[in-house]
Amino acid sequence: GDSVTQMEGPVTLSEEAFLTINCTYTATGYPSLFWYVQYPGEGLQLLLKATKADDKGSNKGFEATYRKETTSFHLEKGSVQVSDSAVYFCALGSSGDKLTFGTGTRLAVRP
Amino acid sequence: NAGVTQTPKFQVLKTGQSMTLQCAQDMNHEYMSWYRQDPGMGLRLIHYSVGAGITDQGEVPNGYNVSRSTTEDFPLRLLSAAPSQTSVYFCASSQGETKNIQYFGAGTRLSVL
Repeated sequence: GDSVTQMEGPVTLSEEAFLTINCTYTATGYPSLFWYVQYPGEGLQLLLKATKADDKGSNKGFEATYRKETTSFHLEKGSVQVSDSAVYFCALGSSGDKLTFGTGTRLAVRP
Repeated sequence: NAGVTQTPKFQVLKTGQSMTLQCAQDMNHEYMSWYRQDPGMGLRLIHYSVGAGITDQGEVPNGYNVSRSTTEDFPLRLLSAAPSQTSVYFCASSQGETKNIQYFGAGTRLSVL
């Protein structure tokens, strides 16, 4: 079945550092890929998405590229801020009605 | 817009008690779902609905019931609470071809003693 594997957290960075959160997936067919973010005390919200190979999703300075050859969708940001502290979830959407989520990676950014 | 509203935000139950977690959305979305979030396990799908009167089981449905009598509401019922159901519960909704772009409520934190 479909599955998503994310790097273990927590990830602790200083402000303005470069961020990478790794995500790889296993799926049949041609899934869409997503990054969702959960800020403290809130529900998840969509951060960015990519629907086909080589697509790049971007939002709020975050980027991720759909790499079919490596089955990856790594999240990157060039300069993190304290306000980026949150839990980040990689997710896969296949032809059915369901999303498959990774386990989440907690990011803490120090001033 | 209120979006997806979940009540209550917090709840403590004793083993064997029953309760209903409420979820309402005002976006006229067809698709609604319930997840539970546990440490180290991400989000797991409990039940989902593709429209009023239609529900189906997700990955972890045991111990939970749902119904969808209206487009707006999708309550989750715990019939006889167990400590293993201690978790944070999220309701989500989405629409049509963008059903994988889900809108989440703020969650209900449930403790079963």
